[in-house]
Amino acid sequence: NAGVTQTPKFQVLKTGQSMTLQCAQDMNHNSMYWYRQDPGMGLRLIYYSASEGTTDKGEVPNGYNVSRLNKREFSLRLESAAPSQTSVYFCASSYTGPNTEAFFGQGTRLTVV
Amino acid sequence: AQRVTQPEKLLSVFKGAPVELKCNYSYSGSPELFWYVQYSRQRLQLLLRHISRESIKGFTADLNKGETSFHLKKPFAQEEDSAMYYCALYSGNTPLVFGKGTRLSVIA
Repeated sequence: NAGVTQTPKFQVLKTGQSMTLQCAQDMNHNSMYWYRQDPGMGLRLIYYSASEGTTDKGEVPNGYNVSRLNKREFSLRLESAAPSQTSVYFCASSYTGPNTEAFFGQGTRLTVV
Repeated sequence: AQRVTQPEKLLSVFKGAPVELKCNYSYSGSPELFWYVQYSRQRLQLLLRHISRESIKGFTADLNKGETSFHLKKPFAQEEDSAMYYCALYSGNTPLVFGKGTRLSVIA
């Protein structure tokens, strides 16, 4: 049981380059999320998808786009990377509703130079 | 808006000493509170949730609606408890809102 799988694990980008972070879950969860983790800032929600076909902005959506490709996959795209986007990115998934546990991927460490 | 506050960025305790990681929340309704933990080189995982009223790895947390708190406690810290701990709130309308986290360091 793979759970939540993110690719890549590490990435270095130059300012202005684009890239897509991939996320897939095999738990048949309705909801998927992208968070970024920065020192002293905790986990901040970038975008989420409550169900297949829907996406919503979180706390820090600027500079990002997402696609809920199907129920399993939720990708995060940086169109023009900036140094401020240097962070660790986590994908997560859960069932929709109360008292549900969120399952996290192993994270993607992104450095923008 | 919902908000979770963890006032301590770093908490250092000696092995065998009691531990209390503080968490306060701001939400007008009935929240669901969680503690997540991230051990070194591992992914974030659920430690416990208030609705279950369970003890996991010796940790407990009680929801105090009057003080809007959900502090995590353990009577005797172990070295393997060293990790990053996040308090999180689910309000029913939006995804989990996390605090900024507290890094617990247990000194041998």
